Amino acid sequence: SQTIHQWPATLVQPVGSPLSLECTVEGTSNPNLYWYRQAAGRGLQLLFYSVGIGQISSEVPQNLSASRPQDRQFILSSKKLLLSDSGFYLCAWSVGGAHNQPQHFGDGTRLSIL
Amino acid sequence: TQLLEQSPQFLSIQEGENLTVYCNSSSVFSSLQWYRQEPGEGPVLLVTVVTGGEVKKLKRLTFQFGDARKDSSLHITAAQPGDTGLYLCAGPSNFGNEKLTFGTGTRLTIIP
Repeated sequence: SQTIHQWPATLVQPVGSPLSLECTVEGTSNPNLYWYRQAAGRGLQLLFYSVGIGQISSEVPQNLSASRPQDRQFILSSKKLLLSDSGFYLCAWSVGGAHNQPQHFGDGTRLSIL
Repeated sequence: TQLLEQSPQFLSIQEGENLTVYCNSSSVFSSLQWYRQEPGEGPVLLVTVVTGGEVKKLKRLTFQFGDARKDSSLHITAAQPGDTGLYLCAGPSNFGNEKLTFGTGTRLTIIP
């Protein structure tokens, strides 16, 4: 069966520090991968998605970036965090190359910027 | 831009009561998905509705897709504390089926 791992679960970082959040998927090949940010108790804002290695689509201008160095690895990064980067970050995967597929989420990372 | 508006934003009811939450759009969707999210976790898929007018039941939860495929509802019968959570609807983007547009969410609290 497929599993998705996202870490760390919580992170407290000072303003201006770098960021690296990692997400890996097991049990499937060539998945679509996604990074979302969620404001408290609200819907999901898509940040980045990827349909293949090295292919990254950015949805919202920001100081974050994403990379997909391996088929089942998706990384969210920043060189210098801002206070506004605080939030709940979720990684997800879906079956690649198919229509109307559900997305499967990790347990999220709670990021607090001080 | 496709938007999915959910109502109500917050709902707090007593255990045993019935409730309905709504997901509405001015855009047509090829399908809609419903997710439930508990605090500190990622959303989990409940159901996908594909055909206009379709009704799907999952135990005490009944999901309906509007005839015009622009809206959906979730009805819960005899709500239980375990139903507490954030309910999100989502539909495939017209700009690429690999993306989903998520609704604004309904925060449901069932009081024991």
